[in-house]
Amino acid sequence: SQKIEQNSEALNIQEGKTATLTCNYTNYSPAYLQWYRQDPGRGPVFLLLIRENEKEKRKERLKVTFDTTLKQSLFHITASQPADSATYLCALAGYSSASKIIFGSGTRLSIRP
Amino acid sequence: GAVVSQHPSRVICKSGTSVKIECRSLDFQATTMFWYRQFPKQSLMLMATSNEGSKATYEQGVEKDKFLINHASLTLSTLTVTSAHPEDSSFYICSASESGGAGDTQYFGPGTRLTVL
Repeated sequence: SQKIEQNSEALNIQEGKTATLTCNYTNYSPAYLQWYRQDPGRGPVFLLLIRENEKEKRKERLKVTFDTTLKQSLFHITASQPADSATYLCALAGYSSASKIIFGSGTRLSIRP
Repeated sequence: GAVVSQHPSRVICKSGTSVKIECRSLDFQATTMFWYRQFPKQSLMLMATSNEGSKATYEQGVEKDKFLINHASLTLSTLTVTSAHPEDSSFYICSASESGGAGDTQYFGPGTRLTVL
């Protein structure tokens, strides 16, 4: 069955450093991969979408890579700030309009001052 | 940006009662709305997909008679948990999409915390 794995342990990063989160998937060939941020007790907030034919996408301090051979996406936050502390979810979607988004369980990121 | 609201944000009810949760897209028309459930430290699990004016499509294992979904307009979908039991306690999140097409961004509501005593 389709499976998405994210860093199972929480990630603690010193402020100013680059945080790198990993998303690996199996038994799936997604057309799109998305990253969301979720704060405690809140719904996810969309951050970035990258298509299968794109290797990298950037948005301000965020960078996402997508390697369909390795079946992996990396999510980077450069110059991290305490306000970046949250859980980050990786999600995959297929081609068809009826395609569901499948979410990973997320990685909790803490940025310490 | 697109805003989705949910009401109530938190509800506590007795076992056996029914609870209705509303999901509204505030500044766009949502052809498709999705309902998810999330248990602590777990991923969002899709429960059902609803398109305005038609019956919801439920995921395998989700009882359609227990989780009633109505998508009566392009800005409102409701989820009713009927005869709620303690195992239904969870965080319920809706999302809305303008077209529901592949790759279309889903905008999520803030979630509803349901506690069944």
